[in-house]
Amino acid sequence: AQSVTQPDIHITVSEGASLELRCNYSYGATPYLFWYVQSPGQGLQLLLKYFSGDTLVQGIKGFEAEFKRSQSSFNLRKPSVHWSDAAEYFCAVGPHSNTGKLIFGQGTTLQVKP
Amino acid sequence: DVKVTQSSRYLVKRTGEKVFLECVQDMDHENMFWYRQDPGLGLRLIYFSYDVKMKEKGDIPEGYSVSREKKERFSLILESASTNQTSMYLCASSFPRNTEAFFGQGTRLTVV
Repeated sequence: AQSVTQPDIHITVSEGASLELRCNYSYGATPYLFWYVQSPGQGLQLLLKYFSGDTLVQGIKGFEAEFKRSQSSFNLRKPSVHWSDAAEYFCAVGPHSNTGKLIFGQGTTLQVKP
Repeated sequence: DVKVTQSSRYLVKRTGEKVFLECVQDMDHENMFWYRQDPGLGLRLIYFSYDVKMKEKGDIPEGYSVSREKKERFSLILESASTNQTSMYLCASSFPRNTEAFFGQGTRLTVV
């Protein structure tokens, strides 16, 4: 079955520290991959996406993610976290089809310590 | 800017009421979606639509129905609201070929 796993439900990092959020997927073919961020009380905003090509993708707000096919992973990274990065982060996968249906992970809540 | 607008940010309804959640997008997207978000469960797809009057069930359609009479509008209907439908509901839209989905701000529904 197709699924997305975000192993860390909650992560706390200090402001200025580096960040890595993990995402593993189970999918029958090469998927489209996404990271979204949700600030409290808001909808989801796209941080970055991978469709094909270079496996290291750059996104908004200084985030990047690396697609590793051999590990079925798409981990999100940021070299230096800012207090405004505190939010919930969702990894998602989707098929190469017209439906646009996405499968989401459970989410990782990021807390940033001053 | 793409805009997906959900008609209400907060709703409180009574058990057994019929509830309508409305979503409008202004980007001429073919695909529209309704997700439900619950803590620890991520987002789960309720229904989606890939064209006017076309709809398909998602992963958790029980207790819900949808309507898409115009391309820009996608409505989620709770036929008889129950307390276990208390949740955050998110609408999204996208073009075909699985480009990114754009989300509304969500409707937090409480059924009492």
